Amino acid sequence: DVKVTQSSRYLVKRTGEKVFLECVQDMDHENMFWYRQDPGLGLRLIYFSYDVKMKEKGDIPEGYSVSREKKERFSLILESASTNQTSMYLCASSLAGGYGYTFGSGTRLTVV
Amino acid sequence: AQSVTQLDSQVPVFEEAPVELRCNYSSSVSVYLFWYVQYPNQGLQLLLKYLSGSTLVKGINGFEAEFNKSQTSFHLRKPSVHISDTAEYFCAVTPTGGGNKLTFGTGTQLKVEL
Repeated sequence: DVKVTQSSRYLVKRTGEKVFLECVQDMDHENMFWYRQDPGLGLRLIYFSYDVKMKEKGDIPEGYSVSREKKERFSLILESASTNQTSMYLCASSLAGGYGYTFGSGTRLTVV
Repeated sequence: AQSVTQLDSQVPVFEEAPVELRCNYSSSVSVYLFWYVQYPNQGLQLLLKYLSGSTLVKGINGFEAEFNKSQTSFHLRKPSVHISDTAEYFCAVTPTGGGNKLTFGTGTQLKVEL
């Protein structure tokens, strides 16, 4: 089975801190994605990547950046954390479109 | 661009009763369709998908969904639910022409009661 591992399940950070959320997949998938999940809003795409060193903005990229230096690792960076970034963050990876995504277990981030 | 509408935010149902979770989508191009399930404090797990062929798709845990192109719907059904089906269910679409970005609905919370 493909495994997508997110480094932290729960994280508490202070306003203004730089926050790194790490995601690693073990099945050589080209595509990787970061979503945030909020009640009543479903999943919203923050950034995605189709290849190493490639990144594209999703629907809500403001306040975030990403890094993909290796194929298996896709990092989400909150440059200066704010309370409105308190959310569940989900990483996913995939092959081509017809296969759907494999998700990690999520990181619940609280910014205080 | 695509959009997905899940009209029911919560669906309560008694154990062993049938259930239908509704999903409608909007797209100017052909799409692939997916249902995912999320158990508490977990990531999303693929339940089933429609790529082509038969419009009735069977998935894991006894769930099935029917693709209706004329009504742009992809409703999820189960003839008899169990307590363990209590979870949040998400419908999603992606264009068949590539890109691979999934657009999700806002989710339906299924609560199965005794």
